[in-house]
Amino acid sequence: AQSVAQPEDQVNVAEGNPLTVKCTYSVSGNPYLFWYVQYPNRGLQFLLKYITGDNLVKGSYGFEAEFNKSQTSFHLKKPSALVSDSALYFCAVKGGGSYIPTFGRGTSLIVHP
Amino acid sequence: DSGVTQTPKHLITATGQRVTLRCSPRSGDLSVYWYQQSLDQGLQFLIQYYNGEERAKGNILERFSAQQFPDLHSELNLSSLELGDSALYFCASSVEAGQGAPGNTIYFGEGSWLTVV
Repeated sequence: AQSVAQPEDQVNVAEGNPLTVKCTYSVSGNPYLFWYVQYPNRGLQFLLKYITGDNLVKGSYGFEAEFNKSQTSFHLKKPSALVSDSALYFCAVKGGGSYIPTFGRGTSLIVHP
Repeated sequence: DSGVTQTPKHLITATGQRVTLRCSPRSGDLSVYWYQQSLDQGLQFLIQYYNGEERAKGNILERFSAQQFPDLHSELNLSSLELGDSALYFCASSVEAGQGAPGNTIYFGEGSWLTVV
């Protein structure tokens, strides 16, 4: 079975500082990894995905994520956080013969002015 | 705007009642997914349809059912509602079912807030 862990329920960062939201996964075979963002009372918006190729994936709103196969991680990063980045972030994985994405429990990102 | 449309946005109903949530996928998408989001359970996959046929089933209760119509819109029916069914229900869509293209992105609607009182 596939699974995703987002070890931090909440991440706090000051505006202008770099941010990292952590995600680790477990899946047999090749993973297909996704990040989504959910603003209050809104749906999940797709940010970026890793399918194959370059381990550093760039996405929307200046976000990027680094795939690390040996550590089975897919951490979300941004060089300089904005207050408007404050939201709930979800990591998801597909693989191991299942093509239904399994989501982590989400990490609340709070960017302080 | 993802292009996935869900109605109603908000719904309040009493225990024991039945409701229907509606979803129109993005133009061209054949696959529809239903998810339930609650504080204690997180985001749970309920069921997937592809071009009118059920393709995968997740943690969907027997009191819940879904279908996808020829015009590709989908409905999620929730019956004999209980307080614990209060949640945000999401519909999502993608081009294919996934087996042919596992890297396909699924796109979410804005959700339907269900409150059971």
